[in-house]
Amino acid sequence: SQELEQSPQSLIVQEGKNLTINCTSSKTLYGLYWYKQKYGEGLIFLMMLQKGGEEKSHEKITAKLDEKKQQSSLHITASQPSHAGIYLCGADRGYSTLTFGKGTMLLVSP
Amino acid sequence: KAGVTQTPRYLIKTRGQQVTLSCSPISGHRSVSWYQQTPGQGLQFLFEYFSETQRNKGNFPGRFSGRQFSNSRSEMNVSTLELGDSALYLCASSPLPAGSNEKLFFGSGTQLSVL
Repeated sequence: SQELEQSPQSLIVQEGKNLTINCTSSKTLYGLYWYKQKYGEGLIFLMMLQKGGEEKSHEKITAKLDEKKQQSSLHITASQPSHAGIYLCGADRGYSTLTFGKGTMLLVSP
Repeated sequence: KAGVTQTPRYLIKTRGQQVTLSCSPISGHRSVSWYQQTPGQGLQFLFEYFSETQRNKGNFPGRFSGRQFSNSRSEMNVSTLELGDSALYLCASSPLPAGSNEKLFFGSGTQLSVL
C-alpha cells in the first residue's frame, strides 16, 4: 500500500471556487512538503511543514499539518487557471529523501 | 543562480540498450537525488548522493545505478532497458549536508521512452 495517500486523485473546480487536497501518511511525519507540477515538468516547491499544528500560507494557498492524525491539507482559495496542475505531498525520510504521494490533478474551468 | 539542469530533456531508446542521464545541481548544493515518475507508480525515489557517496537507495533493480562527481554533478545509468523503464526521471539537489533536510530543488526532468 502507498505510504502517502492523497485525496482526491483528481479535481475539477470552477474558477473562483475554493478547494482542499488531503495527504495522509501511514508513518510518523517529521516534515511534510507540498509541490506543484505541470505535466511532464519538474516540481515547484510550495511549502514545508515541520511542526504539528503548523500552518503556512503563500498567496492564495494555505497548508496545515496535523501531526496527531499524520495528515496535511492544502487549501486553495478563489482558484484561478494558474492553479491548475498536479499537487504532490512528500514526507521527509532523511538524507534529503522524500517519499511522495501519487498526486492530485487539479483542473480549473473558466 | 542557475537551477538544476538535466540533460537530455528527451530520449528515445530501444529495449536492451543502456542510457545515461546527467544532472548538474545548483551551485553549492552537495546532495543530489534521483526520482522516477510514471503514471502508474507516481514519483519513486531511486538514490541519493552526497560528496560522491551514495547515502540512500530506493527499491529498484541493480540495472539502475548512479554516481556523483567531485563537482557534485551526477549521472544515472540504466542498463538493459525494459519497456517499463519509460518514465520521467527527475533530479533534485539540496544545499544541506547529512542529517538535516530542507526543500529539494528539482530539475525539469528527462523524459525517457523505451520502444
